[in-house]
Amino acid sequence: EPEVTQTPSHQVTQMGQEVILRCVPISNHLYFYWYRQILGQKVEFLVSFYNNEISEKSEIFDDQFSVERPDGSNFTLKIRSTKLEDSAMYFCASSEWGTETQYFGPGTRLLVL
Amino acid sequence: AQTVTQSQPEMSVQEAETVTLSCTYDTSESDYYLFWYKQPPSRQMILVIRQEAYKQQNATENRFSVNFQKAAKSFSLKISDSQLGDAAMYFCAYRSTTSGTYKYIFGTGTRLKVLA
Repeated sequence: EPEVTQTPSHQVTQMGQEVILRCVPISNHLYFYWYRQILGQKVEFLVSFYNNEISEKSEIFDDQFSVERPDGSNFTLKIRSTKLEDSAMYFCASSEWGTETQYFGPGTRLLVL
Repeated sequence: AQTVTQSQPEMSVQEAETVTLSCTYDTSESDYYLFWYKQPPSRQMILVIRQEAYKQQNATENRFSVNFQKAAKSFSLKISDSQLGDAAMYFCAYRSTTSGTYKYIFGTGTRLKVLA
């Protein structure tokens, strides 16, 4: 069964550094999403992406964040200048259409020191 | 804004027994979707069951069923004949049907332990 994959599974970075989290959505899916979960808190929506542009974003998704689909398979989340509070598990998801069920990847655990 | 609340941080159940996980939500919308996702340790979230608000019939998927009470804004998950493989974090989620809004709103999760 097709799955969403994410790399790396864990990443440790220094405050102020840039990180890129990578996701490979399910191949025939058209909608892509990023969520994050700070330890002990809710899973929160960050951004959705369709047709090579952001379709919706939360107030969390400020100018330090960006998303990109650099080729036909990858979907990336870039955090330009990481802060301590960016430490979280980041989940990628995809769906065939916006109205369809979202399929989640295993997550990338980001630790900012 | 919509909210989802899971008031049970942790639940335990004996193998082969039945357990119910609670979820309540708040919304002013009349049509929406509700989901239960399961997240085994170090694994991705997997859809367990989905309920459309316009459907009165409770969704069922093998040993998993929901009790959807629209007026009470309650959406509980019942797991029958619990198995060791059911041990996981369970998330309740809400999605609007408003066009262009496809984000999920999650609860904080319930960790289910299954005792042998």
